[in-house]
Amino acid sequence: GAVVSQHPSWVICKSGTSVKIECRSLDFQATTMFWYRQFPKKSLMLMATSNEGSKATYEQGVEKDKFLINHASLTLSTLTVTSAHPEDSSFYICSARAHGDTGANVLTFGAGSRLTVL
Amino acid sequence: AQSVSQHNHHVILSEAASLELGCNYSYGGTVNLFWYVQYPGQHLQLLLKYFSGDPLVKGIKGFEAEFIKSKFSFNLRKPSVQWSDTAEYFCAVKDSGNTPLVFGKGTRLSVIA
Repeated sequence: GAVVSQHPSWVICKSGTSVKIECRSLDFQATTMFWYRQFPKKSLMLMATSNEGSKATYEQGVEKDKFLINHASLTLSTLTVTSAHPEDSSFYICSARAHGDTGANVLTFGAGSRLTVL
Repeated sequence: AQSVSQHNHHVILSEAASLELGCNYSYGGTVNLFWYVQYPGQHLQLLLKYFSGDPLVKGIKGFEAEFIKSKFSFNLRKPSVQWSDTAEYFCAVKDSGNTPLVFGKGTRLSVIA
């Protein structure tokens, strides 16, 4: 079946540094990828929708200059947390929708990336 | 905007007990409904989904869910839980079109021997 890989699975960084998280669809092409943030005891919150070859669409309240998303190819989307602060510590999960599969399809999720900012 | 409510934050059951996790959504149009499970240390996996047809949906590992349109509900059930069902369960809803999933807050299930 479809597999989505996220890297790194866990990253610790110092406050003020930037961190890049990669999301790759391993055996299918993904025109659309979604980035979620999972807070403890809370739901997965959609951060942005990433479309290959175009700008990401950010949800209300998500700072686009802080969470940079690039979807340069049909198999790779990256999320860069710029100038990270401790409040950015969280679990970030990406999901992908297969190319040509719109509407009522199923998303495939990555395993998530845990970011800890010291 | 759509919203998804999962009423139980944490459910603790003994093995062999029956399970029902509630899920209600707010969208009034055509919806696609999903239950995802996240086992400890693992990624989200699809348990089952409803797109159309029979409102009683069978999923993996003995789970099922029933879509009741009049109640805007899609409750997850399992007649007899096992210790290995210990996980976090997320209900998710999506309307028709190229839109993302909206998740509930999740319900943590702890099954004790």
